[in-house]
Amino acid sequence: EADIYQTPRYLVIGTGKKITLECSQTMGHDKMYWYQQDPGMELHLIHYSYGVNSTEKGDLSSESTVSRIRTEHFPLTLESARPSHTSQYLCASIRTGSYEQYFGPGTRLTVT
Amino acid sequence: GENVEQHPSTLSVQEGDSAVIKCTYSDSASNYFPWYKQELGKRPQLIIDIRSNVGEKKDQRIAVTLNKTAKHFSLHITETQPEDSAVYFCAARKGGTASKLTFGTGTRLQVTL
Repeated sequence: EADIYQTPRYLVIGTGKKITLECSQTMGHDKMYWYQQDPGMELHLIHYSYGVNSTEKGDLSSESTVSRIRTEHFPLTLESARPSHTSQYLCASIRTGSYEQYFGPGTRLTVT
Repeated sequence: GENVEQHPSTLSVQEGDSAVIKCTYSDSASNYFPWYKQELGKRPQLIIDIRSNVGEKKDQRIAVTLNKTAKHFSLHITETQPEDSAVYFCAARKGGTASKLTFGTGTRLQVTL
């Protein structure tokens, strides 16, 4: 089924660990986005990509990095997790020429 | 860049009443205005959107109005039901290939019995 998939859905990890949050979409969308959101609160754009080998930083400063080697895959990496990174991370995508943006189910990250 | 303000931050209505959420945007070049509903623990879901070439759009109990001159748009929910309880986000985007949504800060709607 065409959708946006995020793994893991929940992650509890210790301070200083390196983590990668996975995002994949099977809809052939070329634009992809990462948002950070505390539950029920404002959505903050942290990274986006308009296609393969294209990545940009978003409006909220983030210590994470992203890559876009394949159209369907947009992973987000934290080199050294800190408690301040505890949040929900939402991936989203949109097809060029379309207006509608779709969100993945999110990864809830807790850094202890 | 674009700035989107959303009011109120919380809204409580009785079942069957109407609810209105308002947003203003700053960039007159914005031409697409979606509304997302986010239930507790779930992803934001697109519920309705409007483009700048129309002033109003309806889908069953929900409607969105747009005033380009005043740069504001509103979400109207009629005959509210408990399942309408959620956080609602408005957003705005300019046209073109290099575009991203700017979201409002969200409105927590509570529909009471």
